[in-house]
Amino acid sequence: DAGVIQSPRHEVTEMGQEVTLRCKPISGHDYLFWYRQTMMRGLELLIYFNNNVPIDDSGMPEDRFSAKMPNASFSTLKIQPSEPRDSAVYFCASSPRGGAVTGELFFGEGSRLTVL
Amino acid sequence: QKEVEQNSGPLSVPEGAIASLNCTYSDRGSQSFFWYRQYSGKSPELIMFIYSNGDKEDGRFTAQLNKASQYVSLLIRDSQPSDSATYLCAVRPGGSYIPTFGRGTSLIVHP
Repeated sequence: DAGVIQSPRHEVTEMGQEVTLRCKPISGHDYLFWYRQTMMRGLELLIYFNNNVPIDDSGMPEDRFSAKMPNASFSTLKIQPSEPRDSAVYFCASSPRGGAVTGELFFGEGSRLTVL
Repeated sequence: QKEVEQNSGPLSVPEGAIASLNCTYSDRGSQSFFWYRQYSGKSPELIMFIYSNGDKEDGRFTAQLNKASQYVSLLIRDSQPSDSATYLCAVRPGGSYIPTFGRGTSLIVHP
């Protein structure tokens, strides 16, 4: 299996621009997570989906952030408008139903976002 | 707020020594506990999970859980330079599927 695939790997943009991050989970995994990692705050859960349905978006920092999962093989995280404080590494992770016991999340390589 | 606390380090140990990484958590109802390893510039990967009090061993790694003290640790025996990474403790609270991550401890194993 190819693992969780994220794109782009690196994004440099200017404040005010729209940013779209993409994720393809591992086939057959019915949970998908979006995390943000910074030195100051560590790894923070933004939102997660179960069977394409958003379950908990309480970690989404504000209305500038939105996430969608139109089908089982694709999800997007959008920031509009972007701000310098959004600079971070954004990870997508997926997990099979059995992960409820082992807790294992399979992470993508991450998208490093820099907002100037 | 359900918190997971780790010393950020860095923890520096010589090659061949035992590295001891510690984690405390605030939610007494927590059910499952995980250790992820994250190399610099890479994504986290699961190396151990434990949900019963006591020790769980896997090769050079031992996870230790003490629910009464709300404490979980990871021991790495015969540490190697390739073990140099950040180790993230994650705790799954009772009634939730979602683990909460600590900020991680940086481990440096020097030759």
